[in-house]
Amino acid sequence: NAGVTQTPKFQVLKTGQSMTLQCAQDMNHNSMYWYRQDPGMGLRLIYYSASEGTTDKGEVPNGYNVSRLNKREFSLRLESAAPSQTSVYFCASRPMEGSNTEAFFGQGTRLTVV
Amino acid sequence: TQLLEQSPQFLSIQEGENLTVYCNSSSVFSSLQWYRQEPGEGPVLLVTVVTGGEVKKLKRLTFQFGDARKDSSLHITAAQPGDTGLYLCAGVRGTYKYIFGTGTRLKVLA
Repeated sequence: NAGVTQTPKFQVLKTGQSMTLQCAQDMNHNSMYWYRQDPGMGLRLIYYSASEGTTDKGEVPNGYNVSRLNKREFSLRLESAAPSQTSVYFCASRPMEGSNTEAFFGQGTRLTVV
Repeated sequence: TQLLEQSPQFLSIQEGENLTVYCNSSSVFSSLQWYRQEPGEGPVLLVTVVTGGEVKKLKRLTFQFGDARKDSSLHITAAQPGDTGLYLCAGVRGTYKYIFGTGTRLKVLA
């Protein structure tokens, strides 16, 4: 079972470059999320998508854009990368509406901006 | 400002000791979840607590949701090296906006 798949796993960017982080889930889940993880900060929500066609800002959306391409895919774009965006990025999905559902995570993308 | 603060941030203990991790907020959450994360992996769900005052047990782990649904605790009895990892609490605002805590990194020494 693939679950949530993120690509790439590692990436080094120069300041000002752009890139898109890809995320796909094969569990037919409605909601999808992008988090970043920094030491001592836990996971911080960047953007989320409650369902196909909708996206909303999380705690730290500045410098990022997202696209919910279809039910399976939710991408995160950095238009002009900055060193402050060096982090580990996690995509997650949840099966349905409601506050008690489990989040399933990908294995993360480790991004370094130099 | 992080909505969910965890304490302690780091904890290193000997095998067999007991420990408690706290997750605190000034906001009310409709439910709260605890996850554990291993190096190089995404977090994995341990438990969900929904009702104020609720207590759930998972083998040697005991989870409690505060009466006012603003805080939670995780107690581990007789910790083992396999309990080593990053423990994260997560609360939901509204229906879809899940917010994670700052994390507690636990190391259990054999």
